[in-house]
Amino acid sequence: AQKVTQAQTEISVVEKEDVTLDCVYETRDTTYYLFWYKQPPSGELVFLIRRNSFDEQNEISGRYSWNFQKSTSSFNFTITASQVVDSAVYFCALPASGSGNTGKLIFGQGTTLQVKP
Amino acid sequence: DTGVSQDPRHKITKRGQNVTFRCDPISEHNRLYWYRQTLGQGPEFLTYFQNEAQLEKSRLLSDRFSAERPKGSFSTLEIQRTEQGDSAMYLCASSAAGGRGDTQYFGPGTRLTVL
Repeated sequence: AQKVTQAQTEISVVEKEDVTLDCVYETRDTTYYLFWYKQPPSGELVFLIRRNSFDEQNEISGRYSWNFQKSTSSFNFTITASQVVDSAVYFCALPASGSGNTGKLIFGQGTTLQVKP
Repeated sequence: DTGVSQDPRHKITKRGQNVTFRCDPISEHNRLYWYRQTLGQGPEFLTYFQNEAQLEKSRLLSDRFSAERPKGSFSTLEIQRTEQGDSAMYLCASSAAGGRGDTQYFGPGTRLTVL
């Protein structure tokens, strides 16, 4: 069965610290996509990144970077020089396999990040 | 560029009442999803539409729940005879046609509280 595990329930850091959010997944698909979303206190899920399993290159976008390692089924997310505005719940997700290609997402339980000034 | 919108943002109702939520997807997107999120959990899939056709429903979607997407545009999610266990955030998302890896864009959600 497919599964996404975010073992860190809550992380608290002081502003300007670097922080890594872990995501481990299980899938029976040979090709798949992985996603990260941010959910600020307002509640809306904001798309951050989509990664194809073909591409194992790390990706950097400003202060955000993602480390995808197929060998360990992990897709970790690092925020460099964290800011108070980064405080949110972060979710890792992947599409369910089978089910006629609906694309429905399976989410992890989320990691709550608190960045203190 | 208009994103996904949902209405209402908040709904408080008494147990046993019916409620209806609306979702307006991004205009060129033909795939629409409903998810439910309870406190401290990730969103869970409820149902999926491609254009006006409802192609998948989760077992979470009891017979008190019904969703429609007339004309393949906006969608409604109705809960009949609400129960306290229905209290949750109901999220709508849309994506363009293509494949399993399409990015889903989410609306702000409707927070339901059943008293």
